[in-house]
Amino acid sequence: DSGVTQTPKHLITATGQRVTLRCSPRSGDLSVYWYQQSLDQGLQFLIQYYNGEERAKGNILERFSAQQFPDLHSELNLSSLELGDSALYFCASSVDGAGSTDTQYFGPGTRLTVL
Amino acid sequence: AQKITQTQPGMFVQEKEAVTLDCTYDTSDQSYGLFWYKQPSSGEMIFLIYQGSYDEQNATEGRYSLNFQKARKSANLVISASQLGDSAMYFCAMRESHMTTDSWGKLQFGAGTQVVVTP
Repeated sequence: DSGVTQTPKHLITATGQRVTLRCSPRSGDLSVYWYQQSLDQGLQFLIQYYNGEERAKGNILERFSAQQFPDLHSELNLSSLELGDSALYFCASSVDGAGSTDTQYFGPGTRLTVL
Repeated sequence: AQKITQTQPGMFVQEKEAVTLDCTYDTSDQSYGLFWYKQPSSGEMIFLIYQGSYDEQNATEGRYSLNFQKARKSANLVISASQLGDSAMYFCAMRESHMTTDSWGKLQFGAGTQVVVTP
């Protein structure tokens, strides 16, 4: 158990809908990351937050948004869902989010299926 | 350009044998970190081992060791005495030290190597 929690574990929804994925980082970690894992794209970095502020943005679609709250939990909002958004979404956390030595620990993931 | 290359899509290994998973990387940074993660069929991503670019010794964690060859830009994972529970997908990842708005702390992953341990 990495100490990172994600809910829900599975999510099945229809095209055009909106969903929210939730993540609680390990105790003491200030940085949260979101990754998407799909068969065709592999593991892709979406976005990073540090202590409530956005730090880096990767391959995140405009239909997607995220935030990190004062208690450091984070939510990833996916809207106007398309079939291609079906993927495993991971949240990861690390202590400070800076430097090359900072290890990221991953949550169990949320498997999103868009029908 | 691909930053992390894992050339072995899959491999079989017999129980109790050692296996080496290849990983090469591309970066112009002097300071970077290399990570290996394991993803079993259940889906979670499990951190295994870390190697820093300035570390002179190869990293080891239990049955996992990292064969780090900086000049060749390779960071191969060695799993000794394979167990059935080692069957999983293994990902090599890199974190560079230069900070930009699109890369502050992100990990860049390879495509992974599927390992199947047979009795």
